[in-house]
Amino acid sequence: DVVLTQTPPTLSATIGQSVSISCRSSQSLLDSDGDTYLNWLLQRPGQSPQLLIYSVSNLESGVPNRFSGSGSETDFTLKISGVEAEDLGVYYCMQATHALWTFGGGTKLELK
Amino acid sequence: EVQLQESGPGLVKPSQSLSLTCSVTGYSITSNYWGWIRKFPGNKMEWMGYISYSGSTSYNPSLKSRISITRDTSKNQFFLQLNSVTTEDTATYYCARGSFDYWGQGVMVTVSS
Repeated sequence: DVVLTQTPPTLSATIGQSVSISCRSSQSLLDSDGDTYLNWLLQRPGQSPQLLIYSVSNLESGVPNRFSGSGSETDFTLKISGVEAEDLGVYYCMQATHALWTFGGGTKLELK
Repeated sequence: EVQLQESGPGLVKPSQSLSLTCSVTGYSITSNYWGWIRKFPGNKMEWMGYISYSGSTSYNPSLKSRISITRDTSKNQFFLQLNSVTTEDTATYYCARGSFDYWGQGVMVTVSS
């Protein structure tokens, strides 16, 4: 199974601060078709998960451009350039490259 | 607009079967992939499986002997059945489109006698 390790597990930030979340995969997520199926999702309290970024760096429609994704193969990063109050919640990376789709353990973003 | 909504019992007894329905509006389930994901108490998320536009399925091997995902294209619904549940199956269950861009609101299922 592909294991996704997210760090840090908890992140405290002030409004306006820029933060990054790391997602490391136990195997390369580069698919044979040339794409890398690594997504980032946010689950706000009491809500369903929301897709933020797909295929490493593509911003989902309607998602603010303060969110950005980068990385390749086994190392990926989600960056929030200027945290806003609505960004609080749990962030997950997940992969759909390998037959068994898996999620990272989550990173909880809190206000400092 | 694409919308998904889960329905089913919130309480299931151990050893019984858990059955949930995902009703989809605004998009045909004969396109794309449609999956079930669950979130355990705490933060752990687990992909359970999906049914494709053609009706083929793929399941998490950890559940393979207990899980079945089926569909009714006439009603634009797909279904989850999980057999022989234990307290470890207590979770919030979500249905989602395979591109993970649309999710249901989730249904909390407790396994308890």
